[in-house]
Amino acid sequence: QKEVEQDPGPLSVPEGAIVSLNCTYSNSAFQYFMWYRQYSRKGPELLMYTYSSGNKEDGRFTAQVDKSSKYISLFIRDSQPSDSATYLCAKETSGSRLTFGEGTQLTVNP
Amino acid sequence: KAGVTQTPRYLIKTRGQQVTLSCSPISGHRSVSWYQQTPGQGLQFLFEYFSETQRNKGNFPGRFSGRQFSNSRSEMNVSTLELGDSALYLCASSLDTSGQSYNEQFFGPGTRLTVL
Repeated sequence: QKEVEQDPGPLSVPEGAIVSLNCTYSNSAFQYFMWYRQYSRKGPELLMYTYSSGNKEDGRFTAQVDKSSKYISLFIRDSQPSDSATYLCAKETSGSRLTFGEGTQLTVNP
Repeated sequence: KAGVTQTPRYLIKTRGQQVTLSCSPISGHRSVSWYQQTPGQGLQFLFEYFSETQRNKGNFPGRFSGRQFSNSRSEMNVSTLELGDSALYLCASSLDTSGQSYNEQFFGPGTRLTVL
């Protein structure tokens, strides 16, 4: 079993839709969870990180961690074509080492 | 402030050859990590260097090695290339200030390696 599981999609939605991206993880030893966004031919860029359990909001983006069910979620409100990218969930594994999900490819259609 | 830079951006090699990839971290960043990204396996951690010492290592064979210089720049080397080594190799740097619980990692654009 992979330490972080993520549905690779692809996911296609109309502009303005609410997008829900999800991951599950299997090791609770570390506390930081992240969402990265990766555009084609670019490196991943950090969208948000959360510590332990709970919600964190930043503009149209909300990250949620449910430690009891080992679930990580990212919600995108009012999705835009510019949100089209691959979204990667990640968790801290040890120190600077991150373990990533496979990534979900999202397309927002105008 | 300049971001993480990686050279070269694209590389084509043949099986059996070796390759060296370079990463320049953001100025002031002391930690450099390397990841391999493939369509089937996603992003996988290779190793991390801090103050010229390997601090963490992933589950890759010994053909994959790296080093860090006193100016924090890092190189990774892959010897005896195999077809399966074709991937995007990403470098990430972080400030890694002691006492700071979360250290954001900033990724470079990657080096696309193709092994023929």
